[in-house]
Amino acid sequence: DSGVTQTPKHLITATGQRVTLRCSPRSGDLSVYWYQQSLDQGLQFLIQYYNGEERAKGNILERFSAQQFPDLHSELNLSSLELGDSALYFCASSAKLETVAEQFFGPGTRLTVL
Amino acid sequence: GESVGLHLPTLSVQEGDNSIINCAYSNSASDYFIWYKQESGKGPQFIIDIRSNMDKRQGQRVTVLLNKTVKHLSLQIAATQPGDSAVYFCAERGGYNKLIFGAGTRLAVHP
Repeated sequence: DSGVTQTPKHLITATGQRVTLRCSPRSGDLSVYWYQQSLDQGLQFLIQYYNGEERAKGNILERFSAQQFPDLHSELNLSSLELGDSALYFCASSAKLETVAEQFFGPGTRLTVL
Repeated sequence: GESVGLHLPTLSVQEGDNSIINCAYSNSASDYFIWYKQESGKGPQFIIDIRSNMDKRQGQRVTVLLNKTVKHLSLQIAATQPGDSAVYFCAERGGYNKLIFGAGTRLAVHP
């Protein structure tokens, strides 16, 4: 158990809908990263937050957004869902902004768009 | 559990044999590399890392080799066990310390 929790574990929805994925980082970790794992693209970095502020963006679609709250949990919002958004979404956390090795991954949320 | 389901290259080994998993990276300026293990239904788990000023680093039953000339990483697992069956990813540090993952290799260990 990495100490990172993600809810829900599974999510099934229809095209055009909007969903929110939730992540709670390890206790004390200030930095949260979101990754998407799809069949054809592998694991891809989406976005990073540190202590409530956005720090880096990767290949994140404009239909997707995220935020980190004062209690450090983070939410990834996916809207106008398309079939191709079906994937595993992972959250990772680290204590420090600069230390990559200390990224601990949650168990993921599997999103299925029908 | 759920599998990643990717069409990944698969390395099949016998229990007790040594395994070598290879990875090519693209950015010659990358200074930090990590190997992750992903078991079915779980998130990636850190195995071992190496900085670009090193050629080799050893952990418990694992060794990572870095060849900067040809931009190649390898992960060696000694005395492979059934519990080593998983998908293995190499990753390099990108800007703002995000991880850039390789495509992954599935390791299947047979008794």
